Amino acid sequence: DTAVSQTPKYLVTQMGNDKSIKCEQNLGHDTMYWYKQDSKKFLKIMFSYNNKELIINETVPNRFSPKSPDKAHLNLHINSLELGDSAVYFCASSQQGSREAFFGQGTRLTVV
Amino acid sequence: AQKITQTQPGMFVQEKEAVTLDCTYDTSDQSYGLFWYKQPSSGEMIFLIYQGSYDEQNATEGRYSLNFQKARKSANLVISASQLGDSAMYFCAMREILDGGSQGNLIFGKGTKLSVKP
Repeated sequence: DTAVSQTPKYLVTQMGNDKSIKCEQNLGHDTMYWYKQDSKKFLKIMFSYNNKELIINETVPNRFSPKSPDKAHLNLHINSLELGDSAVYFCASSQQGSREAFFGQGTRLTVV
Repeated sequence: AQKITQTQPGMFVQEKEAVTLDCTYDTSDQSYGLFWYKQPSSGEMIFLIYQGSYDEQNATEGRYSLNFQKARKSANLVISASQLGDSAMYFCAMREILDGGSQGNLIFGKGTKLSVKP
């Protein structure tokens, strides 16, 4: 059973398009995150959600918006895609008071 | 602001030998957590080991151990008896503890690429 699953694994799209990446966790965790890994492998937090409330929001473009329909899902919507948005996006989840943070397998987004 | 530094962009180790991957951190918090993740070429992020700032003993998980030196603000990962499958990127990360005790997000170092030679 996959603990944190993201879809799609690969996404190739044209500039200007709007796309979504879905994330689901079946661990019962109360906090979910989105990270961006750039071409140099650097991982940076984008958003985190705790019990459906945004608690940390780094300075990412407002073209990016997280949507959490319920505690187990945190989807990432991206509007008007740009070439610089090409990266690997990771979803993660954790539970307050526990140690581990589990990551999804990543979504490689390529904007052409 | 919290910061994680991994000074080794790449490391080589001979199979079956031990290797130490360096990590130093900077924080003004008294309570925090330190993590190591492995990212193989397939891309997934695999949790390896955790050390809490108040843990008195160094964390160990199988062939992985964390050499935690709080005064030096270092959290080096030691992999014993390296295997070919250990070849991967390794990331050190720190989790801040927010006001009220809730956990913040993970802040990552730039990673170290480990190559195990047969």
